[in-house]
Amino acid sequence: ETGVTQSPTHLIKTRGQQVTLRCSSQSGHNTVSWYQQALGQGPQFIFQYYREEENGRGNFPPRFSGLQFPNYSSELNVNALELDDSALYLCASSLASGTGGLPYEQYFGPGTRLTVT
Amino acid sequence: AQSVTQPDIHITVSEGASLELRCNYSYGATPYLFWYVQSPGQGLQLLLKYFSGDTLVQGIKGFEAEFKRSQSSFNLRKPSVHWSDAAEYFCAVGARGSQGNLIFGKGTKLSVKP
Repeated sequence: ETGVTQSPTHLIKTRGQQVTLRCSSQSGHNTVSWYQQALGQGPQFIFQYYREEENGRGNFPPRFSGLQFPNYSSELNVNALELDDSALYLCASSLASGTGGLPYEQYFGPGTRLTVT
Repeated sequence: AQSVTQPDIHITVSEGASLELRCNYSYGATPYLFWYVQSPGQGLQLLLKYFSGDTLVQGIKGFEAEFKRSQSSFNLRKPSVHWSDAAEYFCAVGARGSQGNLIFGKGTKLSVKP
């Protein structure tokens, strides 16, 4: 069973640039959630994708966007990077049977460390 | 507002000693509660979860947690800490219909003295 993988591991970008982070979900999972973890903080929910549709969004501006592909892998795109976007970005996958059920057990990847200068 | 509070930023215990990490939540709906552990450079690993039923839940690595509705708490315990338990621990709460939207506390860093 392959776990959740993320790429790249580290990334350095300049303010105003755009970035794409990638996530491969665990085998058999159909749902991907993205979290932002600033230094010294707990993870904050960005959004979730279920069967290629956005299924819930946290308090993040529209310049944070995402995609989920037919193989359930996912991308997180951030436009117009700001210094405060520097953080660890975590992807988590789970197996959901619908959009209104119980919170499902999420399996996290190791994260992508983004630094914005 | 929904929130999770972990009052202890950093705890140091001796190897072999018992451990209790505190977690208090504020959530209007029925809470679904989780504890995760994060080792340096790693993602989060689920230790245990509480959805309903017995308020004392067992998890992996010898951890357990007790849900106390009257105190809005979900404290994590381990009877005997091992050096490998040194990590950061996060409490999180979710709700029905919000599978991915877990609200996390700020975490408690655990150090273990030999």
